[in-house]
Amino acid sequence: EIVMTQSPATLSVSPGEGASVSCRASQSVSSNLAWYQQKPGQAPRLLIYGASTRATGIPARFSGSGSGTDFTLTISRLQSEDSAVYYCQQYNNWPPLTFGGGTKVEIK
Amino acid sequence: QVQLQESGPGLVKPSETLSLTCTVSGGSITSYYWSWIRQPAGKGLEWIGRMYSSGSTNYNPSLKSRVTMSIDTSKNQFSLKLNSVTAADTAVYYCATGRIWSSLYYDYWGQGTLVTVTS
Repeated sequence: EIVMTQSPATLSVSPGEGASVSCRASQSVSSNLAWYQQKPGQAPRLLIYGASTRATGIPARFSGSGSGTDFTLTISRLQSEDSAVYYCQQYNNWPPLTFGGGTKVEIK
Repeated sequence: QVQLQESGPGLVKPSETLSLTCTVSGGSITSYYWSWIRQPAGKGLEWIGRMYSSGSTNYNPSLKSRVTMSIDTSKNQFSLKLNSVTAADTAVYYCATGRIWSSLYYDYWGQGTLVTVTS
């Protein structure tokens, strides 16, 4: 099973600033990585797939990068509505599909 | 646009079977793979498995011995059964699918249903 490790656990950022969330895989997942945003009481929302392709309707200030074992989700010009937990998910070696433990992004 | 709605008992006794149904609207249940994912309170996401209308299934090896998934094409529904439950199975259960029929990432999610295992 591929283990996905996210860092940091919590990130506190001022509005208008940028934020970066890291995701590391225990072995290469090529570019088969997705990112999700989850707000309290809601289902996750797909942001990025293929490591860097934005899902339908996702603002351009969300971007993904990386391949192999190291990936980054970057949120530029943070807005209050971006306060959420962000998860990465690999879909290269499965079953099982596996998720990272999540990074909570707080707006100062 | 595909919409998903989970339903089922919110309370299950230890050692019994958890049974949930996901009703699909806005899309044909024969056109996609359908998945179940769960999330214990305050914790991360765990993939349970997926199935196709042909009957093809893929399960998480850690749950495989206790999981059964099925599809009722006449009702546009798919179901999850998890037997011999314990408190560790208490979680919000989501049904989900992707925009592309065989997608392994999830564009569409139900709102989730909380299942609590308690005597």
